[in-house]
Amino acid sequence: NAGVTQTPKFQVLKTGQSMTLQCAQDMNHNSMYWYRQDPGMGLRLIYYSASEGTTDKGEVPNGYNVSRLNKREFSLRLESAAPSQTSVYFCASRGRTTVSYEQYFGPGTRLTVT
Amino acid sequence: KQEVTQIPAALSVPEGENLVLNCSFTDSAIYNLQWFRQDPGKGLTSLLLIQSSQREQTSGRLNASLDKSSGRSTLYIAASQPGDSATYLCAVDSAASKLTFGTGTRLQVTL
Repeated sequence: NAGVTQTPKFQVLKTGQSMTLQCAQDMNHNSMYWYRQDPGMGLRLIYYSASEGTTDKGEVPNGYNVSRLNKREFSLRLESAAPSQTSVYFCASRGRTTVSYEQYFGPGTRLTVT
Repeated sequence: KQEVTQIPAALSVPEGENLVLNCSFTDSAIYNLQWFRQDPGKGLTSLLLIQSSQREQTSGRLNASLDKSSGRSTLYIAASQPGDSATYLCAVDSAASKLTFGTGTRLQVTL
């Protein structure tokens, strides 16, 4: 049981390049999320998917697209990277525990856009 | 819009001290509240989750309380150790199942 996995761990892009961040969870959770973390800003929600086949914008969706490929996988795409997208990106999934719902996070992808 | 504030932003204490980290939120219509720990360059580790109907949760030396009516939660760490040094994040789960995070408290426990 690997939990939430993310690839790659590190990435450097030039302005204008595109890339896709991959996320997968093996906990059979319905909901999945993409956050970005910037110094002094906390984690901010980019997009989320409440269930397979649905996606919704979060607080900071501009410049990103997502795909919920199946129940396990939720990818984040940067079509034309900008320096403002330099950040640490976290994927999470949400599932029911014995008493409540809880979010579980992946290890993060550190992206630098030059 | 839910807003979450954590005070203080940074805290340094000597080993062995008991300490309290504070979290406040603006909208009391929450499903639950989670406290996370984040080590430098690492992901988030869930420490405690308090449901909206609960007043507190305990795990080892950690105790988290929730006062929904006043929009406050505290994380109490007993007998602090250098290994407790990390950033502690508070996150509120709203009815729409989205987490809103505070900016964290960076804790350093010194020898």
